[in-house]
Amino acid sequence: QVQLVQSGAEVKKPGASVKVSCKASGYTFTSYGISWVRQAPGQGLEWMGWISAYNGNTNYAQKLQGRVTMTTDTSTSTAYMELRSLRSDDTAVYYCARDRGYSRGNYMDVWGKGTTVTVSS
Amino acid sequence: QSVLTQPPSVSGAPGQRVTISCTGSSSNIGAGYDVHWYQQLPGTAPKLLIYGNSNRPSGVPDRFSGSKSGTSASLAITGLQAEDEADYYCQSYDSSLSLEVFGGGTKLTVL
Repeated sequence: QVQLVQSGAEVKKPGASVKVSCKASGYTFTSYGISWVRQAPGQGLEWMGWISAYNGNTNYAQKLQGRVTMTTDTSTSTAYMELRSLRSDDTAVYYCARDRGYSRGNYMDVWGKGTTVTVSS
Repeated sequence: QSVLTQPPSVSGAPGQRVTISCTGSSSNIGAGYDVHWYQQLPGTAPKLLIYGNSNRPSGVPDRFSGSKSGTSASLAITGLQAEDEADYYCQSYDSSLSLEVFGGGTKLTVL
């Protein structure tokens, strides 16, 4: 079945970096994009950005530009999201999701279970 | 403040019908971009509920339906059940911000 398996929880100090992985299975990885969405404790969903697994093109939310990098490894069907210069307000659950893009927008039809990232001194 | 506005909470008794609104603007829903809905049960990842304004993925009961008009969209749930108690989010694309945007989420309580 189609699934996305994410890496385990992380605890980081302010100023550090974190890299979360998302391994896809059950579908042709390069036929879809991957979006990353985060959710701070008790808060709503925030879209972070998207990467095409076909050609590596990316689109990042402007507020994260310069701090976030999304990559893929097609040999292992794995997507990665690296966030640098971590701050306390980056504490959140980070989700990867398979992205279905078309002419009138994008939606996310398969989600990983999430990776908790805690930023604390 | 979210770009897409949802009511913070709605409630209904079992068997009743509830609707959740999602209000946008001329740069997102009003610009012709589709609206999608997600259900997030407590402690779990979001799940796609409605895509392309009114389409249900395989496995989603037909008690859930979506619609869109002008700069707004709605999610309707009929025959409310206890397991429908969750947070619901709408999502669309905003051309001014060049990014996907979510509503702030609506907590559904089944009385």
